[in-house]
Amino acid sequence: GEDVEQSLFLSVREGDSSVINCTYTDSSSTYLYWYKQEPGAGLQLLTYIFSNMDMKQDQRLTVLLNKKDKHLSLRIADTQTGDSAIYFCAESKEGSARQLTFGSGTQLTVLP
Amino acid sequence: DAGITQSPRHKVTETGTPVTLRCHQTENHRYMYWYRQDPGHGLRLIHYSYGVKDTDKGEVSDGYSVSRSKTEDFLLTLESATSSQTSVYFCATRSSHEGENSPLHFGNGTRLTVT
Repeated sequence: GEDVEQSLFLSVREGDSSVINCTYTDSSSTYLYWYKQEPGAGLQLLTYIFSNMDMKQDQRLTVLLNKKDKHLSLRIADTQTGDSAIYFCAESKEGSARQLTFGSGTQLTVLP
Repeated sequence: DAGITQSPRHKVTETGTPVTLRCHQTENHRYMYWYRQDPGHGLRLIHYSYGVKDTDKGEVSDGYSVSRSKTEDFLLTLESATSSQTSVYFCATRSSHEGENSPLHFGNGTRLTVT
């Protein structure tokens, strides 16, 4: 995933907000995604944003998109221990199968 | 998720042997994908399929082949396994009926160790 970059680790205290950042390079990306991976499991879609939007809110999750800087962030409000997981951002590529390009993932650890 | 079963879940094999991983889905999704997950690299696309007998290469396809003879099955073959292919392999599917932004659904992965 060299086209999509994320920091590898983030630790927060329970109840605080978490902000996970991502940068991407393909300006033609139409959708950007956040996936969550819990230990021993596959990835699950958390949320996504269309490239003509700046912000999307879904309960505790807020996605911000700065298209000029190609920067995407995921904010988790009131972070809980159950939020500990690896979070991947991904961009969709043009093409018939719309395959995704993933970042390297950010390991979020929530401390009690 | 989306009725995706990967088999085996774990496998240890020796360098130079052929290995086939299976992905089976029950949702009749058109698109299927094989990714590998490695520390520091996230998920990288190996091969994908956009229908029966229609497959194409992803970014890390060397040393791998795929086949899709039925909608529900997508096989990934390592022709002659190498230690660099030690990884966790994920299958994913996507429907063609949910619109442009239909999400990927992932299996639980196959952990492959090549000794």
